[in-house]
Amino acid sequence: AQSVTQLGSHVSVSEGALVLLRCNYSSSVPPYLFWYVQYPNQGLQLLLKYTSAATLVKGINGFEAEFKKSETSFHLTKPSAHMSDAAEYFCAVSGNNNAGGTSYGKLTFGQGTILTVHP
Amino acid sequence: ETGVTQTPRHLVMGMTNKKSLKCEQHLGHNAMYWYKQSAKKPLELMFVYNFKEQTENNSVPSRFSPECPNSSHLFLHLHTLQPEDSALYLCASSLKYGQGPYEQYFGPGTRLTVT
Repeated sequence: AQSVTQLGSHVSVSEGALVLLRCNYSSSVPPYLFWYVQYPNQGLQLLLKYTSAATLVKGINGFEAEFKKSETSFHLTKPSAHMSDAAEYFCAVSGNNNAGGTSYGKLTFGQGTILTVHP
Repeated sequence: ETGVTQTPRHLVMGMTNKKSLKCEQHLGHNAMYWYKQSAKKPLELMFVYNFKEQTENNSVPSRFSPECPNSSHLFLHLHTLQPEDSALYLCASSLKYGQGPYEQYFGPGTRLTVT
């Protein structure tokens, strides 16, 4: 079984400030982890993914995330927020091991965090 | 432009109507997905097709009927829906389903309102 918890349904930052969106996961097998972004009236777009290579993953638009196994976390950060970053962000997990019939291709999403950026 | 298109973008239907949602992907992928996105709830996976075969049905009511005639097209047939079925329906595709970090590419969604 796998699950994702995103801490904080709403995060508000000033333009130029650090963005930190929190994600903790639970997985019975080594996970793959993803961050997606959804702009208003659009579908989800992949920001970055962790696939058990480097623990610090760089994505598009200046975002990065660090996989910390000891903390079961995969927090998303960006050093300096831009107005165009305002959107909803989703963390997702899937298993990477076909053990015991687990549907390891299945993505489980968190509830999302709405990021607001103030001028 | 994500390579996954959905039509219509907006749909209003009565509870006795029958309608269909269409999804098309131009990415050469072999897996396609339907998700339901409701306010204040996580994305809910509804169906998965891998190489045209349905591999996941996440306990979806029978008033939702998927169809995948080929790897590029996916339909969701709707009949006798309930108001609580109002949501954004997202289609996604990936290279394959399972055994790898195959990221999913999403369409823009169909905003469905059941009256």
